[in-house]
Amino acid sequence: DAGVIQSPRHEVTEMGQEVTLRCKPISGHNSLFWYRQTMMRGLELLIYFNNNVPIDDSGMPEDRFSAKMPNASFSTLKIQPSEPRDSAVYFCASSLGVAGNTIYFGEGSWLTVV
Amino acid sequence: DQQVKQNSPSLSVQEGRISILNCDYTNSMFDYFLWYKKYPAEGPTFLISISSIKDKNEDGRFTVFLNKSAKHLSLHIVPSQPGDSAVYFCAASGSGNTGKLIFGQGTTLQVKP
Repeated sequence: DAGVIQSPRHEVTEMGQEVTLRCKPISGHNSLFWYRQTMMRGLELLIYFNNNVPIDDSGMPEDRFSAKMPNASFSTLKIQPSEPRDSAVYFCASSLGVAGNTIYFGEGSWLTVV
Repeated sequence: DQQVKQNSPSLSVQEGRISILNCDYTNSMFDYFLWYKKYPAEGPTFLISISSIKDKNEDGRFTVFLNKSAKHLSLHIVPSQPGDSAVYFCAASGSGNTGKLIFGQGTTLQVKP
């Protein structure tokens, strides 16, 4: 039974480059979340979608970050241009409904910007 | 400004003993609290939760206690097992049981055989 699938698992990129992280939620789930984990700030919610519609993007750090969910089975988080302070683990999660106790996280995308 | 704080970055206990992980929060509007467990190179997984209308919730070896007046919650694991070794995150929600969660920094638990 496939869980939340994220790609790439690891990415190293140079400052100024565009980074695109991808997520395939669990089939049938209608809510999708993007979280970021850093040493300094821990796990932070960046944005979440319900039925493919962005509901709350107040956690998106700045205009360099954008997220899309063109359909129920795919979402992207894009950083353009990337900066070293964007280095973090980015987690995608999905749930049926928006209940916190039913969220399933992917394994994360480890991003390093040099 | 950290609204959910886990002041102990790490905890080490002996197998069979009790593990107590603590979490403090500052926002009195939080009304739902969760604990997640995370193994290396994996995403967090839901462990146990509690609503603000309760002061205790138990699930097998795991019990969460909530003290609203002190804005404090704790996770008790009894008895601790080596497989419990992981990072534990406390999280809070201000709108009921939603996925819009504010996480603590995490506590790394090591259970020694």
